[in-house]
Amino acid sequence: DQQVKQNSPSLSVQEGRISILNCDYTNSMFDYFLWYKKYPAEGPTFLISISSIKDKNEDGRFTVFLNKSAKHLSLHIVPSQPGDSAVYFCAASRTGTASKLTFGTGTRLQVTL
Amino acid sequence: ETGVTQTPRHLVMGMTNKKSLKCEQHLGHNAMYWYKQSAKKPLELMFVYSLEERVENNSVPSRFSPECPNSSHLFLHLHTLQPEDSALYLCASSQDPIVNQGVTFGSGTRLTVV
Repeated sequence: DQQVKQNSPSLSVQEGRISILNCDYTNSMFDYFLWYKKYPAEGPTFLISISSIKDKNEDGRFTVFLNKSAKHLSLHIVPSQPGDSAVYFCAASRTGTASKLTFGTGTRLQVTL
Repeated sequence: ETGVTQTPRHLVMGMTNKKSLKCEQHLGHNAMYWYKQSAKKPLELMFVYSLEERVENNSVPSRFSPECPNSSHLFLHLHTLQPEDSALYLCASSQDPIVNQGVTFGSGTRLTVV
C-alpha cells in the first residue's frame, strides 16, 4: 500500500512559467512533509518542507502548499528555470523516535527553453 | 559534497560474490538509513539505525545484512544477491526525530548483479 503518491511521472514546462508538482498521501498521522530534488548520478537533496500546522511555506522561487483535509500537497516553482530539470520526490513523516520518511515515486520535471 | 559519503559509487557483482557498501557521515547525526531506489518505484526504506541500534527492518531479505559500528559509519553487507537486487542503494543520515531538512543523502552506490 503506497502511502505517498505522485501520480504524474513526468511534467514538461516552458522556461519562465510555473511548475506545479502534486503529491497525495493516505496516512493521516503524517505531520511533516518534504520535497527532495534529484539529479542523475546524485542522491536526493532537500528542497523545502512544511509542518502540518502550516498550509504554506515559501523559499525563494519554491512554495509548498498543504491541504490537510484533502491530504494533498503541491510544490510550485516560479519562474521555472532549465536548471530545475530533475526528479522531484515528495516525502512524509511522523515525528517521534526513530521517525522515518515515506517517499513517493517521483515526478520528472523537464524545463524547456 | 553533502556530508554523507558512500563507497563505492558503482559495483558489479556476481550472484555468488560477497561485497560490502560503506557509508560515512560527518554531520553529527544520530540516525542512519539504507534506502533502495529501483526504476519507477518509490525510494524504499530498508534499515534504520538510531543511536547505533537497529530500529527498523522493512522485511528485507537476509542476503542484505546491515552493520552500524558507530554513529558515523554504516555498512551494508551483500551476499548471494539476485539480478532483481540491481538498484541504486542510498545511505542517509539525520537527527532523530527528524526535523527541518529531513534526511541527508549520499550520492548512492549503483549496484548491478550479474
